[in-house]
Parts: sequence; C-alpha cells; structure tokens
Amino acid sequence: EVQLVQSGAEVKKPGESLKISCKGSGYSFTSYWIGWVRQMPGKGLEWMGIIYPGDSDTRYSPSFQGQVTISADKSISTAYLQWSSLKASDTAMYYCARHRVPLQQLDYWGQGTLVTVSS
Amino acid sequence: QSVLTQPPSVSGAPGQRVTISCTGSSSNIGAGYDVHWYQQLPGTAPKLLIYGNSNRPSGVPDRFSGSKSGTSASLAITGLQAEDEADYYCQSYDSSLSGCVFGTGTKVTVL
Repeated sequence: EVQLVQSGAEVKKPGESLKISCKGSGYSFTSYWIGWVRQMPGKGLEWMGIIYPGDSDTRYSPSFQGQVTISADKSISTAYLQWSSLKASDTAMYYCARHRVPLQQLDYWGQGTLVTVSS
Repeated sequence: QSVLTQPPSVSGAPGQRVTISCTGSSSNIGAGYDVHWYQQLPGTAPKLLIYGNSNRPSGVPDRFSGSKSGTSASLAITGLQAEDEADYYCQSYDSSLSGCVFGTGTKVTVL
C-alpha cells in the first residue's frame, strides 16, 4: 500500500527555521516525483515545487522560488520542505503528494503538516 | 493568484446533476495539457478524483466524470449525494510558469 506520512504539527516564531518531512513507503520512492502543496487557512491549493528523489532534481513554482527549499534523502525514502526564516504568512497546512506522471496528477497524498508561525 | 478559474460554489439537491467548470488559457488547458480533479472533504487531504481529463482512479464512483474542450474543462457529478459535499479543485500544467497550477476551488453544497 502506497503511503506518504508527514511529520507532526509545528508552532514556531517569526524568524525561526523549520524542516518538515514526508516519508514514502509501499512503492519505489526513487522512481516518482514528490510535490509539495500549500493550503493557507480557508484558502485553496497552491503547488510549491517538486523533487525527484532518484537524483534530487528540483523545480520550484515562481511564487515559492527562494522562499523554501525542497530536498530528499533517498536512503530513508523521505522528502523535506524547509524554511530558513519563517514569517507569519507561512502559516498554513502543507501537503506532500506523489506525482504519478511528472508534473501531472498527484495520486497519493500525505495527511498534511500544519505549520503555525506566531509571535 | 491561480491561473485556472472555477466558480466559488455550486449546489444541488440529492439525486441532481451538478457541473463545475475550470477555465484556463492558451498556456495550460488550451495548450493541450491534461486536467485533473481533486475532492477535498472537510478537514482531510485532497484525493485524486479524475486524471487525464476523464479517467477515474480505481474506487471512484462512476457518478463522477470529467471532460475537456478548448481552454476549459468540466467535472460533472450525477446522482448527487450528501457525502459529495466537499471542495473540488482542477489542476493542470502551465508552460509559462513551467509548473503545475490548481484552480481556485469550488465548494459543492448538497441542499
């Protein structure tokens, strides 16, 4: 069974750094792209970027380029999303999901990680 | 802002048919890129509902169907049920952004 399990909810202060994770199982983790999606409170879905764990090839949405870093450790089948300096506007639910075909449909989703940034 | 536009809300009585539109442009849907649809039940992660414009993943009821024409796509729900009350999003690829884009989302209410 394909599963993506994300790390737990985080509460951080503005300016702090953060790295959240997404662990894949039940399939060949290095053979499928993983995408990250943001959902701000009460808002819609926003595609942030994508990584191919096989070689760590990474692409970003122009809206998120320079704002976050996507990485992966294929030895432990885990993808990451990180911030070096959080802002209150980063408060959101973040989902990882598997791209069945590169840059096409997202067929399996993690349960989401809620990030709250507040002073 | 999203480059794919959906109506904010649609509603229907149980058993009725509702449709949700997804309007794009020549750099995404109009360029021939596939459209996919997701259902997000309250408090849960999105779930793939339709892929490749009109294909249903295993387990998705055939009450859900998708189509695409020109710069737009549509999701139809026939025989509307209370459990269909959720937010629905379309998604495609945009060549000018070199990445995926989601629609603005549509809330379906069952009256």
